[in-house]
Order: sequence, then C-alpha cells, then structure tokens
Amino acid sequence: GDSVTQMEGPVTLSEEAFLTINCTYTATGYPSLFWYVQYPGEGLQLLLKATKADDKGSNKGFEATYRKETTSFHLEKGSVQVSDSAVYFCALSRGRTGNQFYFGTGTSLTVIP
Amino acid sequence: GAVVSQHPSWVICKSGTSVKIECRSLDFQATTMFWYRQFPKQSLMLMATSNEGSKATYEQGVEKDKFLINHASLTLSTLTVTSAHPEDSSFYICSARDGAGTETQYFGPGTRLLVL
Repeated sequence: GDSVTQMEGPVTLSEEAFLTINCTYTATGYPSLFWYVQYPGEGLQLLLKATKADDKGSNKGFEATYRKETTSFHLEKGSVQVSDSAVYFCALSRGRTGNQFYFGTGTSLTVIP
Repeated sequence: GAVVSQHPSWVICKSGTSVKIECRSLDFQATTMFWYRQFPKQSLMLMATSNEGSKATYEQGVEKDKFLINHASLTLSTLTVTSAHPEDSSFYICSARDGAGTETQYFGPGTRLLVL
C-alpha cells in the first residue's frame, strides 16, 4: 500500500545551518507530495507541495523536488532560523479525489541560536 | 489563503460526558472534511472522512457510534465524542478540501481534549 517514510528525529541544528529532512514514498501511479509544518500546540500548515515528477515546491526558503526515479521528496533549507523550530510532516495524496492522505511520522527540528 | 478554524481549542471534561468539536472553513466551501487524531509525538491518524449531506466514512478501527460526525453544511463539520473516557484524551485536528478539485487539505489549529 501507499506509505511515506521520513527520517527520524529529533534534529538539532545551529542557526544558519543547512537543513535536509529525508522523505521517501511508496505509491502506485503519480501521487501529489506535500510538506506540512506543525508549530508547538498548533495544527498543520501547508509548507509546500509538488504535483508531478521534477516539480519543485518552495516556500519561506524551503524547497523540495519531486524525484520519481528515487521516489523521494527531501526537504531542504539553506539557512535555518530559530523560528523554523517545529515538526515537519511529509505526506502524499493519491486517489480519484485526493481524499486519502498518507503522513510520515514527522521530524522534530530544533534550531538553537 | 484558505482558513480552517476549530472550536474549542481546549476542552477538559469528566469521564462519561459528551464533547462536541466544530470545524469550519472560513473563506471557502468544503465539500469534504477530514478528522484526524494525533497522539503525543506521533503522526496524524485519519479517523473519518466527512462529506456534506451524507454519512461519514470511518477508517477501520474507529467506532462510529463513539465518534459522531455531522457535516451539515459546506462550511461546518462537527465531531462529537460520546461518553468520553480518559483514553479518548488526544489532539483532534480537522482538515478541509475545497470543492475546486484540488488535492490540498487545509488544516485547522486542532482541539486538545482532556478527559478526567
């Protein structure tokens, strides 16, 4: 069945460090891929998405490229800030109406000054 | 952007009582809404899919008589936890997909339920 695998955390980085959070997926067909961010005590916010192979989603300095050949959608940011501290979820959507979302287990990121 | 609200954000109740959680799409019509449950430091677990004007579709293992879902309008879905017990304590999050056929789900801020 469809699934998403994320690198386990927690991840702790110093401010201005480079961030990579790995995400790979298993799915038949052509799913859409998403990164959501959850700040402490809040719900999920859409960070970025890509709907087809080789698409690059980007937002707030974060980027992820839909790689069908490696079934990956790794999240990257060149220079993290303390305010980026949150839990990041990779997800895929597939199905006739896109109703079914499959989430990764989440990766907690803490950025220290 | 699309905004989804939830009310209340926090609720504490006694064991055996029922609790209703509202999920509203504020600036779009949501033909489909979803209810998730999230345990501490874990991912989201889909509980049910709610379609406006029809019965909700529950995921395997979710008791439909315990978690009543009503999607009475295109902007409102409610989740009622009936006869709540301490093991129902959790973070409940709703999401909504607009009727324009996009796959993106927009999430509410979540409701933290504590059953004493």
